[in-house]
Amino acid sequence: SQTIHQWPATLVQPVGSPLSLECTVEGTSNPNLYWYRQAAGRGLQLLFYSVGIGQISSEVPQNLSASRPQDRQFILSSKKLLLSDSGFYLCAWSVLSGANSPLHFGNGTRLTVT
Amino acid sequence: DAKTTQPTSMDCAEGRAANLPCNHSTISGNEYVYWYRQIHSQGPQYIIHGLKNNETNEMASLIITEDRKSSTLILPHATLRDTAVYYCIVRVRQEAGKSTFGDGTTLTVKP
Repeated sequence: SQTIHQWPATLVQPVGSPLSLECTVEGTSNPNLYWYRQAAGRGLQLLFYSVGIGQISSEVPQNLSASRPQDRQFILSSKKLLLSDSGFYLCAWSVLSGANSPLHFGNGTRLTVT
Repeated sequence: DAKTTQPTSMDCAEGRAANLPCNHSTISGNEYVYWYRQIHSQGPQYIIHGLKNNETNEMASLIITEDRKSSTLILPHATLRDTAVYYCIVRVRQEAGKSTFGDGTTLTVKP
C-alpha cells in the first residue's frame, strides 16, 4: 500500500533562517506531488505541484521554492524565512486520470517562525 | 473551477446520521465533487467523490442532485471520531490534485 512521510512534525525557526521540509512517498511510481499551506482555522492553499522529476509549478508567488530531486521525493525550501511563512505545511500525492485520483495527504509540518 | 459553499458549522448527535450539504451551482459537466475531512492537527483524508450518480463506500454516501448544483455527504451513524472539518471540492478529475480548499464545515458530534 502507498504511504507518505513528512518530517519534521513541528519546527520553530527564527526569522531569516533557511528552511527545508522533506516529503517522501512509498508504494507508487511517478506520482503527482503537492505542497499545501494552511493558516490557522482556514482552508488549504496550493503552493507547488509536480508531475515529474525536476518539474515544478508554482501556484502563488512567495518566499518559498520546491524541488523534486527523485521520483518520490518532494522538498520545500526557503533561503530566509519570514514571519508570514508560519503555518501548517502539508504534502500530498495523487495519480493522473485513468485511476482514482484524489489527494492523499501526509500528517503535515507545523512551522512557527519567531 | 466551480466555487463551493458550505455551512460554517453543524452539530450531530452520536449514532445519528450526519448530513453535510454543499452548493456548487456553477459546476460544469466534467467537474467531479470530492469530499475530504480533516481531524484536528492532521492532514486531510479523502472520503468519497462522484460525477452525477450517487456513490457509497465504507465511510460515507454522496448524494448529488439531478442538476448537479448541490450535493450532500452522509455519515450514516456518526461517532465522536467523526468530529472534523469537512471540505467539499469541485474539480476536473484530471486536475484533482490542484484543488482549492475553502474553510469547510466544522462537524461536531455530541454524545
